[in-house]
Amino acid sequence: NAGVTQTPKFRILKIGQSMTLQCTQDMNHNYMYWYRQDPGMGLKLIYYSVGAGITDKGEVPNGYNVSRSTTEDFPLRLELAAPSQTSVYFCASSYVGDPNTEAFFGQGTRLTVV
Amino acid sequence: QQQVKQSPQSLIVQKGGIPIINCAYENTAFDYFPWYQQFPGKGPALLIAIRPDVSEKKEGRFTISFNKSAKQFSLHIMDSQPGDSATYFCAASIGEGAGSYQLTFGKGTKLSVIP
Repeated sequence: NAGVTQTPKFRILKIGQSMTLQCTQDMNHNYMYWYRQDPGMGLKLIYYSVGAGITDKGEVPNGYNVSRSTTEDFPLRLELAAPSQTSVYFCASSYVGDPNTEAFFGQGTRLTVV
Repeated sequence: QQQVKQSPQSLIVQKGGIPIINCAYENTAFDYFPWYQQFPGKGPALLIAIRPDVSEKKEGRFTISFNKSAKQFSLHIMDSQPGDSATYFCAASIGEGAGSYQLTFGKGTKLSVIP
């Protein structure tokens, strides 16, 4: 049972480059999320999706885009990378309807923009 | 505006001690309060969670105390072990309506348990 899988684990980008962070889950969860984690700041929600074809902005969406064409996949796109996007990115999923509403997190992608 | 305030930022205890981490929230619509544990290089993992209809929940050595009137909740770790050394995040979410189930996290507490 793989759970939530993120790729790549590490990446260095130059300012202005773009990239896609991949996220896939095999638990048939309807909700998926992207968070960023900065030192001493906790996790902040970037985007989330309640199902295939439906996405919405979280607290810090500027500079990012997402899509959800399937239940399993929820890629995060960075256009025109900036140093402020240096962070650790976590993808998560949950099954709404479960009374425990546990969110399962991936291992993270550490991104450095130089 | 930070909706979930967590303290302390870091905590050092001796093995066997009882570290306590506190969180306070502002939004009275929150109805689910989980604690997540994160080890270096790993994603957060659910440790224990509580809903506001109970004042305390215990799972093994971990206990959540919840005070609805004060809008506060805390994590106690009994008989702490070096393996408990990690960063702990409190969180809160709303179960109904738009934006449901989005977790709002505290800033985290780095716990070190020394032998």
